[in-house]
Amino acid sequence: AQSVAQPEDQVNVAEGNPLTVKCTYSVSGNPYLFWYVQYPNRGLQFLLKYITGDNLVKGSYGFEAEFNKSQTSFHLKKPSALVSDSALYFCAVRSAYSGAGSYQLTFGKGTKLSVIP
Amino acid sequence: DSGVTQTPKHLITATGQRVTLRCSPRSGDLSVYWYQQSLDQGLQFLIHYYNGEERAKGNILERFSAQQFPDLHSELNLSSLELGDSALYFCASSVQGGGAWNEQFFGPGTRLTVL
Repeated sequence: AQSVAQPEDQVNVAEGNPLTVKCTYSVSGNPYLFWYVQYPNRGLQFLLKYITGDNLVKGSYGFEAEFNKSQTSFHLKKPSALVSDSALYFCAVRSAYSGAGSYQLTFGKGTKLSVIP
Repeated sequence: DSGVTQTPKHLITATGQRVTLRCSPRSGDLSVYWYQQSLDQGLQFLIHYYNGEERAKGNILERFSAQQFPDLHSELNLSSLELGDSALYFCASSVQGGGAWNEQFFGPGTRLTVL
């Protein structure tokens, strides 16, 4: 079974400061890891993913994430937060060995990011 | 705009009723996934279809069923509705024949309220 933990329900950060949203995962075999963002009354938008290779992945809107295999973590980061980054962020995982040809994602509970002006 | 469309946006119905939610995937995507988002359970995978065939089931109740049609749109049928079925229902699609590394693109969701 695969699982994702986002230990913080909410993260508050001042505009212009760096932000980190934490994610740890558990999966059999190699992981494929994803970050999505959800704005109020909207669907989920893909931000970035880790498949293999460089542990630092760059994505949309200036976000990046660092994959750490030994700590089974995939934290989302941004050097300078914007008020418009305020949203709900979801980390998701799937195994490279899903079997049966299906690739459903397992999501964390989500972290609400509030960027304070 | 992800290119995935869902109708209706909102649905209000009574307990015991049956509803159908519709999803049209992005052009060319053969896979459709259904998810349920609720405050207490978070985002839960329900079911996956690929080119008309069911590929996997997650935490889907027996009262729920889905299908994918030859034009690749999908419908999620919810019957004998209970108050606890109130949630946001998302569908997502992914690249034709894509591997597990391909991201899913989510529709805007259908908000179901059961009174």
